[in-house]
Amino acid sequence: DTGVSQDPRHKITKRGQNVTFRCDPISEHNRLYWYRQTLGQGPEFLTYFQNEAQLEKSRLLSDRFSAERPKGSFSTLEIQRTEQGDSAMYLCASSRSGGVYEQYFGPGTRLTVT
Amino acid sequence: GDSVTQMEGPVTLSEEAFLTINCTYTATGYPSLFWYVQYPGEGLQLLLKATKADDKGSNKGFEATYRKETTSFHLEKGSVQVSDSAVYFCALSDLGDTGGFKTIFGAGTRLFVKA
Repeated sequence: DTGVSQDPRHKITKRGQNVTFRCDPISEHNRLYWYRQTLGQGPEFLTYFQNEAQLEKSRLLSDRFSAERPKGSFSTLEIQRTEQGDSAMYLCASSRSGGVYEQYFGPGTRLTVT
Repeated sequence: GDSVTQMEGPVTLSEEAFLTINCTYTATGYPSLFWYVQYPGEGLQLLLKATKADDKGSNKGFEATYRKETTSFHLEKGSVQVSDSAVYFCALSDLGDTGGFKTIFGAGTRLFVKA
């Protein structure tokens, strides 16, 4: 068990640019979650995958955000035409399925949009 | 929609004091409830959970009971230590609109424990 990893850990981009983040879950976990966390707030749910299927997507997620998990292993989160309001910590978590299992969180990717 | 409300912090206590962090929720379904903790410089990790009414989750001296009648899941510890200083998040997991799971977190409560 090597834990959930995320890459990059920090990203600074200019407004209007596209960014992509990667998450590698714990290998035997088939559920994967993306969250966004701003300072002083709890993680905000963005989307959830069971294997390669995206089963749930927050209504708060604009069309500029897209996530994929093509082979049911790693996942990517892309933000197009970034805005300053997108500056946040983006967290990935994974868990087993078949019941209520704890989510294991990665260290996050901190995005700063200038 | 589903939501989680927890008491605002920071909460400052002396070592060996009793801790309560209040958490209430609203949910359309029958959620599972969690407390996660984030220690300084570390990622979120599960502290305890409860999956049905009257369940008590416990870990590291912390306890929380799933109260369906009051829609609450308050976190308690009888005697806090300096090492308990962290941010505590209450959360619920429920079925979403399209059949998948979603997890809703509260805003977090920062705890400072003084020696």
